Amino acid sequence: AQTIHQWPVAEIKAVGSPLSLGCTIKGKSSPNLYWYWQATGGTLQQLFYSITVGQVESVVQLNLSASRPKDDQFILSTEKLLLSHSGFYLCAWSPGQGRVFFGKGTRLTVV
Amino acid sequence: QQQVRQSPQSLTVWEGETTILNCSYEDSTFDYFPWYRQFPGKSPALLIAISLVSNKKEDGRFTIFFNKREKKLSLHITDSQPGDSATYFCADTGGLSGKLTFGEGTQVTVIS
Repeated sequence: AQTIHQWPVAEIKAVGSPLSLGCTIKGKSSPNLYWYWQATGGTLQQLFYSITVGQVESVVQLNLSASRPKDDQFILSTEKLLLSHSGFYLCAWSPGQGRVFFGKGTRLTVV
Repeated sequence: QQQVRQSPQSLTVWEGETTILNCSYEDSTFDYFPWYRQFPGKSPALLIAISLVSNKKEDGRFTIFFNKREKKLSLHITDSQPGDSATYFCADTGGLSGKLTFGEGTQVTVIS
């Protein structure tokens, strides 16, 4: 069975500080991987997707970047956090047909 | 950008009633419409989905009705339970990349 692990579970960071969130998936080779962001009480916004190592497509610009250094790893980062970056970050993978399976998420608070 | 609209934004029902959630879309580039459920503080999980070739999909107390001509879907939850209290999102798939466009969600509260 596939498992998706996100880290950290929660972060409190200062405005202007850097950020790195990670995600690994086990049990699935060459998965399609995604980063989603959700503001408190808001909808789910897809940020990035990647279908293979080293290849990342940006869906929406939020002064964030993503990388896929390994087949099973997806990293979300920024050098300078904004207050607007606060929210719930979700890594996900998809076997296709609109089925998306989410990790447990990272709750980010920027102060 | 593809628009997916949901209504109502929130609703409260009594235990045992049927909850009806609505969703509409503009033009789908794919043929699969999933609904996701998200409990407070948790990540969303796939609940039920329907394809364009079907008008109805049933899974236990959950049923999707699909009106292709009007581009509308509805999710019915029969015999609603307090444990069904959550936010429900419908989504439109965006092709082989797996891009999902989510609606704004409907927050459901079931009171006993």
